[in-house]
Amino acid sequence: DGGITQSPKYLFRKEGQNVTLSCEQNLNHDAMYWYRQDPGQGLRLIYYSQIVNDFQKGDIAEGYSVSREKKESFPLTVTSAQKNPTAFYLCASSITGHSGGELFFGEGSRLTVL
Amino acid sequence: GNSVTQMEGPVTLSEEAFLTINCTYTATGYPSLFWYVQYPGEGLQLLLKATKADDKGSNKGFEATYRKETTSFHLEKGSVQVSDSAVYFCALSDRGPRDTGRRALTFGSGTRLQVQP
Repeated sequence: DGGITQSPKYLFRKEGQNVTLSCEQNLNHDAMYWYRQDPGQGLRLIYYSQIVNDFQKGDIAEGYSVSREKKESFPLTVTSAQKNPTAFYLCASSITGHSGGELFFGEGSRLTVL
Repeated sequence: GNSVTQMEGPVTLSEEAFLTINCTYTATGYPSLFWYVQYPGEGLQLLLKATKADDKGSNKGFEATYRKETTSFHLEKGSVQVSDSAVYFCALSDRGPRDTGRRALTFGSGTRLQVQP
């Protein structure tokens, strides 16, 4: 079945460690996105990529990094510079990067910093 | 900039009650509007969408009409079920003459719906 796969579903990290969240899609979509979800705050955009080898900062990019070396993959690294990384992270994709298109979401990764 | 405002939750209803979740937006261009639903522990799923003024999106008994004059996209359902309990997000995707180059949805803060048997 086509879809978006995020891993791991749950992740625990000690302070000062970098962690990488995986996002893979087999929908042949050009665009991919990372959102962060905190209770009562909805979704906030971290990074997005409209095409391979290109990505743009969203609203809350500080302390995060991404890469887009392959069309199907868009991993997110949460670095030690991110002051409050405990959150639910959602990856999404869309057919193209053009506005107006539906986003397809993965099931999310919950990161907890101990 | 773009923004979406939703009514705060939780909204608690009895089964078969009528549901309205308000959503208003601010956008610089001609947005498409969406409602997404999130069940516990899961990602978001598209519930319905409308791409231009006066369009009505509908799915699974839910409806929302794109009202440009009131910049609103309120979600309604005539008779809710326990299985409708979830968090509902209103979102917009802007497109228009002033192209910011940004191609991502802007989400509201979400409204939790709890339906009791």
